[in-house]
Amino acid sequence: QSALTQPPSASGSLGQSVTISCTATISDLGDYNFFSWYQQHPGKAPKLLIYEVTKRPSGVPDRFSGSKSGTTASLTVSGLQAEDEGDYYCSSYIGNNKGVFGGGTKLTVL
Amino acid sequence: EVHLVESGGGLVQPGGSLRLSCAASGLTINTNYISWVRQAPGKGLEWVSIMYSGGGTFYADSVQGRFTISRDNSKNTLYLQMDSLKPDDTAVYYCARGHCSDKGCYPWYFDTWGQGTLVTVSS
Repeated sequence: QSALTQPPSASGSLGQSVTISCTATISDLGDYNFFSWYQQHPGKAPKLLIYEVTKRPSGVPDRFSGSKSGTTASLTVSGLQAEDEGDYYCSSYIGNNKGVFGGGTKLTVL
Repeated sequence: EVHLVESGGGLVQPGGSLRLSCAASGLTINTNYISWVRQAPGKGLEWVSIMYSGGGTFYADSVQGRFTISRDNSKNTLYLQMDSLKPDDTAVYYCARGHCSDKGCYPWYFDTWGQGTLVTVSS
């Protein structure tokens, strides 16, 4: 079982917003701000969307935003577009020079 | 432009060995943090190993003692030597760079990924 728990699926209609959660099962992770989020389309490499909980790399639309409350990080996708459909993964540094990914959430755009 | 290109994947029997390569362009590997991340067929992402810019190496518990990460600065290439392979090691292996901005480089945010190389461990 991963140290980061994500819902297996999420969905939203075109133009609406959807939020994906990522809950740390290790309480110490709540003190960290190392959460990041990735988007992956079938057969493609992941793409960094959010790092350090809330920051966007250049080129990532501001429709993607991150937040954190306690031990749960969240990714919100606003103004859903068809191309947002795919798999989304959270990730974090967990100490002792190790990283971890969540199990992934499959986002369906209705 | 930054590029990472993995190679070396293939079919190997359980207990066998394989060495993966990650050739970098547009960046110098010994000034970056670079990880290996794998994805089993139909499954999620799993962090495997990291080499820090200073040379420190670290591993996931699942591969500790079996995998070795190294680099050849003259070839600007990172490697992953995989020994005592198990069927559970079957996956696409990606190399990925820690994100760098004008504020510095971060080992645990992966902003550049290769296309991946498939490793299949089966008899």
